[in-house]
Amino acid sequence: GESVGLHLPTLSVQEGDNSIINCAYSNSASDYFIWYKQESGKGPQFIIDIRSNMDKRQGQRVTVLLNKTVKHLSLQIAATQPGDSAVYFCAESPTGANSKLTFGKGITLSVRP
Amino acid sequence: DTGVSQNPRHKITKRGQNVTFRCDPISEHNRLYWYRQTLGQGPEFLTYFQNEAQLEKSRLLSDRFSAERPKGSFSTLEIQRTEQGDSAMYLCASSFEGELFFGSGTQLSVL
Repeated sequence: GESVGLHLPTLSVQEGDNSIINCAYSNSASDYFIWYKQESGKGPQFIIDIRSNMDKRQGQRVTVLLNKTVKHLSLQIAATQPGDSAVYFCAESPTGANSKLTFGKGITLSVRP
Repeated sequence: DTGVSQNPRHKITKRGQNVTFRCDPISEHNRLYWYRQTLGQGPEFLTYFQNEAQLEKSRLLSDRFSAERPKGSFSTLEIQRTEQGDSAMYLCASSFEGELFFGSGTQLSVL
């Protein structure tokens, strides 16, 4: 079946460094991709999204890159801060933001002081 | 707090009992979603409503599970004859025409 997955289960970075979290997806019909951040005891929180007609989108300290050729999605966090420590999920949808999402497995980002 | 609200936050029950969870979406959000999440995994889609109509149900949603949104506002998710495998975080999300906003979930433990 279709799946969305992350390459690594954990990532440890030094405070102030840049973080890169990678995700692979298998559904070539996916049109919309999202990154979520989930802190302990809370629901997933939207970070940034990108449509399949784009290959890069920037937000505040975050950048999402989409490579449709190899079905790869990445989240870059600049100047990682302790508050960025959380579990990160990529998710995809074939139709857009306001529809059912398929999530990948989470990767834990740990920021060392 | 104007976010998605879920109650209770935690529920411990014995196997075979019925449980019901409630979700209050963000006001005026027409879509409401239920997801289930187990430790270390991403949320898995269960079902969603547009207003009061239940438009899609996952194969994960066995006949022991039922969800309602009678007036197109709050929703309830009921699990009958709970099993240990039902232990998970049950997340609710709502949306209007954009991103999904998630609640903090109801953590269910079936003993």
